[in-house]
Amino acid sequence: GESVGLHLPTLSVQEGDNSIINCAYSNSASDYFIWYKQESGKGPQFIIDIRSNMDKRQGQRVTVLLNKTVKHLSLQIAATQPGDSAVYFCAETPYGGATNKLIFGTGTLLAVQP
Amino acid sequence: GAGVSQSPRYKVAKRGQDVALRCDPISGHVSLFWYQQALGQGPEFLTYFQNEAQLDKSGLPSDRFFAERPEGSVSTLKIQRTQQEDSAVYLCASSPASSTDTQYFGPGTRLTVL
Repeated sequence: GESVGLHLPTLSVQEGDNSIINCAYSNSASDYFIWYKQESGKGPQFIIDIRSNMDKRQGQRVTVLLNKTVKHLSLQIAATQPGDSAVYFCAETPYGGATNKLIFGTGTLLAVQP
Repeated sequence: GAGVSQSPRYKVAKRGQDVALRCDPISGHVSLFWYQQALGQGPEFLTYFQNEAQLDKSGLPSDRFFAERPEGSVSTLKIQRTQQEDSAVYLCASSPASSTDTQYFGPGTRLTVL
């Protein structure tokens, strides 16, 4: 099948381990950040979001950390499962933008080894 | 409930042909976005609608690209005189209101121009 993971940075982990996916964003004026998961042949699926007035937000098995000083975003996945294998994109929305359009990062391919 | 749907899922066109890609957003969603995703890259913003009004078309790569949403629901992205560089996945996303940032994506239409 088609792959969205060609030429992407790859993170390979063992099933059950914790995964950390990193993202550097470019616009210091961005105030909203989102992580999306994209499986082959599918559209991006919302995972978790965080606003710029927060440093950390937790969901089910996932945690997003935001470091505005160095413009860095990370996604932590606990107890990684084979179903977590996908390409993960961070996205940002610049503050004050009228359209809330998303600016996506390059993406990271997460490969979970059983 | 039903998510964002797109049709066709796959489209093959000969260079110079016109194509029309359809998006059915989640019922009641005010905002609708189109993105273009090249193989191995993150989605890139094309255009944005709030109801039937096209408020931002800054991402459309050329005047061969045209989008409409005449009744504030279904949207069509039209590409005239397709070129090989138009080959990509075209993603549609919708969100409940203009001030709500979470965007829900459809599966995309993969366009291949020969």
